Amino acid sequence: SQQGEEDPQALSIQEGENATMNCSYKTSINNLQWYRQNSGRGLVHLILIRSNEREKHSGRLRVTLDTSKKSSSLLITASRAADTASYFCATDSMKTSYDKVIFGPGTSLSVIP
Amino acid sequence: GEEVAQTPKHLVRGEGQKAKLYCAPIKGHSYVFWYQQVLKNEFKFLISFQNENVFDETGMPKERFSAKCLPNSPCSLEIQATKLEDSAVYFCASSQWRSPLHFGNGTRLTVT
Repeated sequence: SQQGEEDPQALSIQEGENATMNCSYKTSINNLQWYRQNSGRGLVHLILIRSNEREKHSGRLRVTLDTSKKSSSLLITASRAADTASYFCATDSMKTSYDKVIFGPGTSLSVIP
Repeated sequence: GEEVAQTPKHLVRGEGQKAKLYCAPIKGHSYVFWYQQVLKNEFKFLISFQNENVFDETGMPKERFSAKCLPNSPCSLEIQATKLEDSAVYFCASSQWRSPLHFGNGTRLTVT
């Protein structure tokens, strides 16, 4: 079963607006990561949040983690056309010894200039 | 190197032929992961390595897929007797312990 699942599946916003994507997972985790994929490319790591952290910032990115709800959100503020990409959350389970990092199905973000 | 290098970029095989994909992880990274992405959808975990040892292979269709990470050689993913449904982009990633994954740009496999 999927360890991480994102919603919405697709999101379309105007440049300058904020974009929020959510991720839910099923088992206890060590950390949760967010990645971006531009068309035809590999994933690029954006931010990692550990299970004992609740919020983390990096530039225009803000990630929250709620371990009681097994969910995380990625907020991109003041979006730009260049933010158009697919965004994936990924988790590694506390139950395993880092042998498997599982990705959710992703959110496709379109930022309209 | 400082990037994960995957070769070839594109690979076309007739159904039933063998396909072999290569991945050179970042020097110093002990962990290598292989993922399959079909039609830009989710990344399906295939297998992971810690150095040359298989760590987790629960995602591998074992009857046709095999993988290796030998010392001083690129890692490889081999598909015997490819099927149409194997058409996908195969991504390799490397990392240190519980650290962000660094991805290559993938190998696009087309089975005709």
